[in-house]
Parts: sequence; structure tokens; C-alpha cells
Amino acid sequence: QITLKESGPMLVKPTQTLTLTCTFSGFSLTTSGVGVGWIRQPPGKALEWLALIHWDDDKRYNPSLKNRLAITKDTSKNQVVLTMTNMDPVDTATYYCAHGSCDYHKSYFGMDLWGQGTTVTVSS
Amino acid sequence: ELVLTQSPGTLSLSPGERATLSCRASQSVSSSFLAWFQHKPGQAPRLLIYGASTRATGTPDRFSGSGSGTDFTLTISRLEPDDFAVYYCQYYGTSPYTFGQGTKLEIK
Repeated sequence: QITLKESGPMLVKPTQTLTLTCTFSGFSLTTSGVGVGWIRQPPGKALEWLALIHWDDDKRYNPSLKNRLAITKDTSKNQVVLTMTNMDPVDTATYYCAHGSCDYHKSYFGMDLWGQGTTVTVSS
Repeated sequence: ELVLTQSPGTLSLSPGERATLSCRASQSVSSSFLAWFQHKPGQAPRLLIYGASTRATGTPDRFSGSGSGTDFTLTISRLEPDDFAVYYCQYYGTSPYTFGQGTKLEIK
């Protein structure tokens, strides 16, 4: 059974760096074709994909946020970490991580199982 | 950049009725990479449909997906009380893996 759980601070101040951890079980990030993605949802707004990391350490970022994001994995701990720099109140959102898969050519990334999310508020 | 527009924004129906939700893409996309998610407050989004029409494991057969090119539809044949939620379409074929803005399905 695949499970994912997000963790991190509930409150960050403007200009600070946010660090979120996704701890997962039921799959390995060393398996070919497997990845973990991060998605967020500001209050009352749509879902927005942020970043993903593939089994081979290939990383992809949403171009609109690329300069602020970094994603890493620790396969020994079954964790994926997302950092977002220079936080702003508009970054207030629920942040989700999700298990995903792709083909050999990485021509798609389907996210099929998600965590319940962690809510982050950016305020001074 | 691809934009997915969902309509209607809110759909008010009664249990037992049929629901039809629309997702329109700003450019033609491959139906192989169009997904639908169900999202309830405080819960993880749940994958219902992938490849435009394939039900994910555990998705009841009252849910069906169809469409191609720029127009996609999620149909719920007979609404049950558990179906009232927000539904999102998503294109996962190319980054940035865009989501639609959602359709809220509420009890009338």
C-alpha cells in the first residue's frame, strides 16, 4: 500500500525559505519509472504543479517558480524534500506530494496517489 | 502555455441525477494524458480517470470519461451522496502538468 505524508512548518515569514518533507512508503524511488511530485493549492484557487523528481534524480520544475524551487531525494529514508526560497504571502497554500510514474522516455508524468497535504501560511 | 478551462464552475444536482462536467483545452492535447481527480475538503485528491477514459483502480463504473483534442467530459451516471466534491481535470503529458480550475459539484 502506497502512502505519502507531507510535513513542514505551518507558518513562515515573508522572505524566509520553506522546507517541506514528503515521507512515503509502499514504493521505492530507485525503481525505474517512478517519481514524486509536489503540487500546491492556494485557498480558493486551483491546483498548481510545482516540481518532480524521477528515480534517476532527473528534476523538473514549473517554469513560473523555477528560480525559487529545489527538490531532492533521500532514498535511504524514503523522503523527498522541496525547498522554496523568498516566501511571500501569495505562497500561502496547502502543499501536496504525490507518487507518479512515467515511461522510459519520460513523455508524461501521471500522479496517481497523493498525500493529504500540509497547510503553510506566509505571514509576518 | 496550455490552459484547461472547466465548466460549469458549480453544478447543483440531486442524488440520482446525471452529472456532466466539461474540460476544454486551449490547444489540442493527446487524450492519452488527460486525467480527472476528485477532491474533498481535508482529503487527498483522488485519481478517478486517466488516459481520458480509463477508470483508476477503485473508481466506480458510474464514473466515465470521454473526449479528444480540446474537449473532454467526465460523466457521473447516477449521483450518490459521496460524489459531491470538487473535480479537476489535468494534462500530464507535458510540463507544467496543468490543472483546470475545478468544478464544484454540490447537492441541490
